[in-house]
Amino acid sequence: GAVVSQHPSWVICKSGTSVKIECRSLDFQATTMFWYRQFPKQSLMLMATSNEGSKATYEQGVEKDKFLINHASLTLSTLTVTSAHPEDSSFYICSAPRAGRQTEQFFGPGTRLTVL
Amino acid sequence: AQSVAQPEDQVNVAEGNPLTVKCTYSVSGNPYLFWYVQYPNRGLQFLLKYITGDNLVKGSYGFEAEFNKSQTSFHLKKPSALVSDSALYFCAVRDGMTTDSWGKLQFGAGTQVVVTP
Repeated sequence: GAVVSQHPSWVICKSGTSVKIECRSLDFQATTMFWYRQFPKQSLMLMATSNEGSKATYEQGVEKDKFLINHASLTLSTLTVTSAHPEDSSFYICSAPRAGRQTEQFFGPGTRLTVL
Repeated sequence: AQSVAQPEDQVNVAEGNPLTVKCTYSVSGNPYLFWYVQYPNRGLQFLLKYITGDNLVKGSYGFEAEFNKSQTSFHLKKPSALVSDSALYFCAVRDGMTTDSWGKLQFGAGTQVVVTP
């Protein structure tokens, strides 16, 4: 089956620093990728849709200047949490639908971000 | 608007017994329904989906779900649970009429399944 990877799997950083999270589709091309945030024991909330070659689409309430998204190629999207604060600590998950199979998303393993 | 409810925070079942995880939904148009499973510190794994067609959908790892339009439900079932089925299960819905991004699924709060030996 299709595989989506994320790097790093976990990261600890100091408040005020920026952290970049990568999402890669390993065996298929993804013109669209999605970034979710999951709080402990809670469901996933869509943050933004990453579009290859164009600007990301952010959900209401998500600060685009804080959560920078870049879809550099058909297999890579990055989420940069800028000037991270402890409230940004969360589990970040990306997903990608295979082209032509929009009804089925393949999720990455997630990245645990802890901001001290 | 679309919403999904998983009424049980946790389901406990003995290994070998039937497992049911409940899900009800609300959408304006026809629903697209999904079940995902999440193991600790892992992303979601797709189990099955209902888009159209037969109300009984069979998925991965022996799971199945039945779409019931009159009861607006999409309960997940497995005839004989395994200890390895212990995980967090999410139901998700998408309104078939929406033109929103395909990532904009409405996820339920999740149900923790605990299967004891």
